[in-house]
Amino acid sequence: AQSVTQLGSHVSVSEGALVLLRCNYSSSVPPYLFWYVQYPNQGLQLLLKYTSAATLVKGINGFEAEFKKSETSFHLTKPSAHMSDAAEYFCAVSQNNAGNMLTFGGGTRLMVKP
Amino acid sequence: EPEVTQTPSHQVTQMGQEVILRCVPISNHLYFYWYRQILGQKVEFLVSFYNNEISEKSEIFDDQFSVERPDGSNFTLKIRSTKLEDSAMYFCASREQGGSNQPQHFGDGTRLSIL
Repeated sequence: AQSVTQLGSHVSVSEGALVLLRCNYSSSVPPYLFWYVQYPNQGLQLLLKYTSAATLVKGINGFEAEFKKSETSFHLTKPSAHMSDAAEYFCAVSQNNAGNMLTFGGGTRLMVKP
Repeated sequence: EPEVTQTPSHQVTQMGQEVILRCVPISNHLYFYWYRQILGQKVEFLVSFYNNEISEKSEIFDDQFSVERPDGSNFTLKIRSTKLEDSAMYFCASREQGGSNQPQHFGDGTRLSIL
């Protein structure tokens, strides 16, 4: 069974500082990996996805993530945080099976201080 | 940009009553999903649906739950006899044809409150 672990349920950074949100997965086969963002009272919006084409993936709003197979990690980064980045971030993994279900991590709430 | 729409945004129901949550997936998408998120917990997979049948379901999706695509646009989740523990945010998602590298697109959710 696959699983996703997000270290740190809450991360606080200052505006302009580096954002690093951690995600580790366990999977018996190469997975597809996704980062979603959830703003208050909204659904999950896709930030970026890894599908084996390139290990460094660029997404929307200046975010990017690097797939590291040796570390089974897919950490999300942004060089400079904006106040508008405050939200909850979810890492998810999918495998190529009949249902293609997503397995989510527990989420990380990002707070940005002025 | 096309989006997944869910109605209602908030549903309050007495325990034991039936509830139907509605979703309109993106029009050219062929794979449909329901997830739920209990307050303070992970987003959990409930069921996936393709070609008018369930392709996978989780342990949560017991006999009290059912899904249906009654016409060409709607995708519904029915809970026959609601329990207090069914209180959660329910998300519908859809994705287009292709491998599971295609991302799922989510609606804004229905908050279900069981009294």
